[in-house]
Amino acid sequence: AQSVTQLGSHVSVSEGALVLLRCNYSSSVPPYLFWYVQYPNQGLQLLLKYTSAATLVKGINGFEAEFKKSETSFHLTKPSAHMSDAAEYFCAVSVPVDDKIIFGKGTRLHILP
Amino acid sequence: DAGVIQSPRHEVTEMGQEVTLRCKPISGHDYLFWYRQTMMRGLELLIYFNNNVPIDDSGMPEDRFSAKMPNASFSTLKIQPSEPRDSAVYFCASSFRQFSTDTQYFGPGTRLTVL
Repeated sequence: AQSVTQLGSHVSVSEGALVLLRCNYSSSVPPYLFWYVQYPNQGLQLLLKYTSAATLVKGINGFEAEFKKSETSFHLTKPSAHMSDAAEYFCAVSVPVDDKIIFGKGTRLHILP
Repeated sequence: DAGVIQSPRHEVTEMGQEVTLRCKPISGHDYLFWYRQTMMRGLELLIYFNNNVPIDDSGMPEDRFSAKMPNASFSTLKIQPSEPRDSAVYFCASSFRQFSTDTQYFGPGTRLTVL
């Protein structure tokens, strides 16, 4: 069975600094991986997804994530944080044959002025 | 497209009352999901439908919870009787194809408070 772990329930970065949100997964077969973002009082929306094509995936709002099979990781990065990036971020893993998607517990990103 | 629509956005009720949450998925989407989000348990999948048929309800916490999808454009999640521990944000989401690979589109959620 697959699982996903997000390291750090809260992360604070200064405006303009690098954003790094960590996600590690466990899967016995090649997974699909997702990052979703949840802004306050809203539903989740897709930031980006990895579906076995390019290992470096670019998403919306300047975010990107790199699939590293050897490290079983799919960390989310953004070179320069903006105040509008303050939100909760969820990593998710799925395998096509299983028709299930497992969400991580989420990481709340705080942006310091 | 208006996206996934949920109503009501907020619901406050007293313990023992029946609560009905409503969802209209994006037109043309084959899958509909109901999730519950709490601080303690995070995001939990309660049930999902494919072409209006319930496929997996293993996440439904107990018999007090029921969900229906009478047609492709409407679904309900009912809690009867409600309890304070049911207080949470309930999300409806939909996707076009096989949901393990496709993007899920979430509604804004219903914040339920059971007193």
